[in-house]
Amino acid sequence: DAKTTQPPSMDCAEGRAANLPCNHSTISGNEYVYWYRQIHSQGPQYIIHGLKNNETNEMASLIITEDRKSSTLILPHATLRDTAVYYCIVRSTNNAGNMLTFGGGTRLMVKP
Amino acid sequence: GAVVSQHPSWVICKSGTSVKIECRSLDFQATTMFWYRQFPKQSLMLMATSNEGSKATYEQGVEKDKFLINHASLTLSTLTVTSAHPEDSSFYICSAREKGYNEQFFGPGTRLTVL
Repeated sequence: DAKTTQPPSMDCAEGRAANLPCNHSTISGNEYVYWYRQIHSQGPQYIIHGLKNNETNEMASLIITEDRKSSTLILPHATLRDTAVYYCIVRSTNNAGNMLTFGGGTRLMVKP
Repeated sequence: GAVVSQHPSWVICKSGTSVKIECRSLDFQATTMFWYRQFPKQSLMLMATSNEGSKATYEQGVEKDKFLINHASLTLSTLTVTSAHPEDSSFYICSAREKGYNEQFFGPGTRLTVL
């Protein structure tokens, strides 16, 4: 599976949009982009995933560039409870084990 | 839906003892379960992949005789840390994947402290 690059940390003001970037320049055509987050001392929580098109759900929006080499996770109105480590993961549909390979993630700090 | 539980949530044990951690899928049948380990301020590292009814597949560097994995039913997998030592102290997290789906759902984790 393709590797991803994320900034190690970001700050965001409460109530503002949090935009978390992810670079996956070596992504191939059959690889999805997944986002998970991990609040301190808890298991990871699935947020959203996409292949080519932008996606939106009740938690966040995922914007994938046309060349698919990067993506941005958007939390439209960040709250203090969104403080967590956010992981961007690229996974092939052919991944026989369907395992997830976690990188370093981005530690998002939402400040009042 | 798609809830995964782990028991216990935390455990403290003496060096040399064995500890069993349970991972259960509460509302779906998990054909595959994964076990991860996370040291402080580090990312999750996959230890092994467990398919129901078959032997687990361990990642390189993970001792299969030390970390015993049993996936005897579609809703339960167990990880036993045998002869635990202080360096095994970590946050152990399982995830489960339902048959026919790609998404994994994670348990809340078990914090193991070996004295």
